[in-house]
Amino acid sequence: EIVLTQSPGTLSLSPGERATLSCRASQSVSNNFLAWYQQKPGQAPRLLIYVASSRATGIPDRFSGSGSGTDFTLTINRLEPEDFAVYYCQQYGTSPLTFGPGTKVDIK
Amino acid sequence: EVQLLESGGGLVQPGGSLRLSCAASGFTFSSYAMSWVRQAPGKGLEWVSSISGGSGTTYYADSVKGRFTISRDNSKNTLFVQMNSLKAEDTAIYYCAKGQVAAPDSIRFDPWGQGTLVTVSS
Repeated sequence: EIVLTQSPGTLSLSPGERATLSCRASQSVSNNFLAWYQQKPGQAPRLLIYVASSRATGIPDRFSGSGSGTDFTLTINRLEPEDFAVYYCQQYGTSPLTFGPGTKVDIK
Repeated sequence: EVQLLESGGGLVQPGGSLRLSCAASGFTFSSYAMSWVRQAPGKGLEWVSSISGGSGTTYYADSVKGRFTISRDNSKNTLFVQMNSLKAEDTAIYYCAKGQVAAPDSIRFDPWGQGTLVTVSS
């Protein structure tokens, strides 16, 4: 099983700042099948990024993904108030599908 | 617009059974794999099970293998999961989610339903 580690656990930032979230895999993610999801309190997760760097439909371009192999990054430029949430990475290249533990982005 | 609506959650005793449903609309249901993902209270996300568009292939997490059975009725655009021998650690919100292709392997989840809460407690 591929174990995903996300860092930091919590990121405290102000609106307008840049957030950089890390996701590290215990082994190489096949085909860079790495996705990022956003979850707000009381809501279901929402897909942001797939195949490491492709934005899902309707996702603002301030969200970007990068990386390959075992190291991946989600960057949120110019944080908006609605971006404060928990972010999960997921690998879907190897069964079983696995998620990271999440990074909470909260308001400083 | 794709919509997924889960139902069937509730309170069940340890060792009991429950069947969850997910009604889908807004897309050709039989053309896409579907999955169940759960989230224990205050915890992260855990993939539970996936099924191919044609129902021929299923996958399960080790934590539920032998106890949960995923199925679908393509004539009714509905996904199911039959949960038997439930344990306290199965307590979670259960989300259904759509895959991007018919095959159930190598799938991401988009979109997700709003979830249904299953509580296993005496």
